Amino acid sequence: DAGVIQSPRHEVTEMGQEVTLRCKPISGHDYLFWYRQTMMRGLELLIYFNNNVPIDDSGMPEDRFSAKMPNASFSTLKIQPSEPRDSAVYFCASSSRLAGINNEQFFGPGTRLTVL
Amino acid sequence: QKEVEQDPGPLSVPEGAIVSLNCTYSNSAFQYFMWYRQYSRKGPELLMYTYSSGNKEDGRFTAQVDKSSKYISLFIRDSQPSDSATYLCAMTRSSASKIIFGSGTRLSIRP
Repeated sequence: DAGVIQSPRHEVTEMGQEVTLRCKPISGHDYLFWYRQTMMRGLELLIYFNNNVPIDDSGMPEDRFSAKMPNASFSTLKIQPSEPRDSAVYFCASSSRLAGINNEQFFGPGTRLTVL
Repeated sequence: QKEVEQDPGPLSVPEGAIVSLNCTYSNSAFQYFMWYRQYSRKGPELLMYTYSSGNKEDGRFTAQVDKSSKYISLFIRDSQPSDSATYLCAMTRSSASKIIFGSGTRLSIRP
């Protein structure tokens, strides 16, 4: 398996533009997670899905952020409109369970977003 | 106050030294404890997993949990330059709860 795939790897955009980040989880994994990582705040969970259904979106910072999972092999995180404070590395991760003994979340390589 | 606190470092030690990385937490309900390692420009990957209190050893790595003090540690023996990375602690209450990550400690091993 190729692991979790994210695109694009880098995105530079201007304030006010719409940004769409994409993720393909590992086949067979029922859980998909979107995280944001910054120096100041560390790794923050934004939202997670179970069997394509959003379960917990309490980490989504504002209404400008939205996430979808139309099928088991694809998810998007959209920011509209984008702001400079959204600049961060966004990770997608997937796992077979939410947590538990020896459960591992497999992370993608991340999308480095810069909003000018 | 954050649920999980971790010193961001950076921590720089010479090759061969013993490294101690630590996290404290506030929620006594946490039972599952993990350490993830993140190389530069990569996603985190699971390094160690422990349940409840006690020690777990895997090669040069030892994870230690002290639930009475709400304190977890990761020890690296005979540290190598390839161990240079950011180490994130993580924990959860149960198999039905989401994982909470620490902010990570940046470690550098000098040859």
